[in-house]
Amino acid sequence: ETGVTQSPTHLIKTRGQQVTLRCSSQSGHNTVSWYQQALGQGPQFIFQYYREEENGRGNFPPRFSGLQFPNYSSELNVNALELDDSALYLCASSFDTYARYNEQFFGPGTRLTVL
Amino acid sequence: AQSVTQPDIHITVSEGASLELRCNYSYGATPYLFWYVQSPGQGLQLLLKYFSGDTLVQGIKGFEAEFKRSQSSFNLRKPSVHWSDAAEYFCAVGQTGANNLFFGTGTRLTVIP
Repeated sequence: ETGVTQSPTHLIKTRGQQVTLRCSSQSGHNTVSWYQQALGQGPQFIFQYYREEENGRGNFPPRFSGLQFPNYSSELNVNALELDDSALYLCASSFDTYARYNEQFFGPGTRLTVL
Repeated sequence: AQSVTQPDIHITVSEGASLELRCNYSYGATPYLFWYVQSPGQGLQLLLKYFSGDTLVQGIKGFEAEFKRSQSSFNLRKPSVHWSDAAEYFCAVGQTGANNLFFGTGTRLTVIP
């Protein structure tokens, strides 16, 4: 069973640019959540995708957007990068229904540096 | 609104000593509670979780946690720490009807020989 994978591992961008981060969910999982972890902080929820639809969003501006594909992999897009976007971006997958809460399995993250 | 407080930013313990990491949460209903561990450059690994039932929860790597509703706490414990336990530990709360997690700011554990 393959776990959650993320690409790239590291990324350096300049302010104002756009970036796309990718996540492959664990086999059998239908839900992907994205979190931003700034240095020295806990992860903060960005949004979640369930069966290709956005299913909840945290306190992040619209320049943070996402997609989920039919194979349940996902992308996180960030436009007009700001210095404060520098962080570790974590993807987590789970098999979710609304009847119960299921464990989220985290990937290793993508380290984004904005200069 | 949900929130999680981990009052200890950094804890240092000697190998073989006992450990307790504190976590307090704020949530109106019965929470789902989690402890995760993060090693440098790694993602998050689930140590244990509480959904309901027995308030003392056993996890992996010899960790346990106790849910105390009256104190809104979910402290993580280990009777004897190993050098490999050095890492960042995060407490998190999940809410009913949604699957996103709210994390504390973490406690960094240093283990000295």
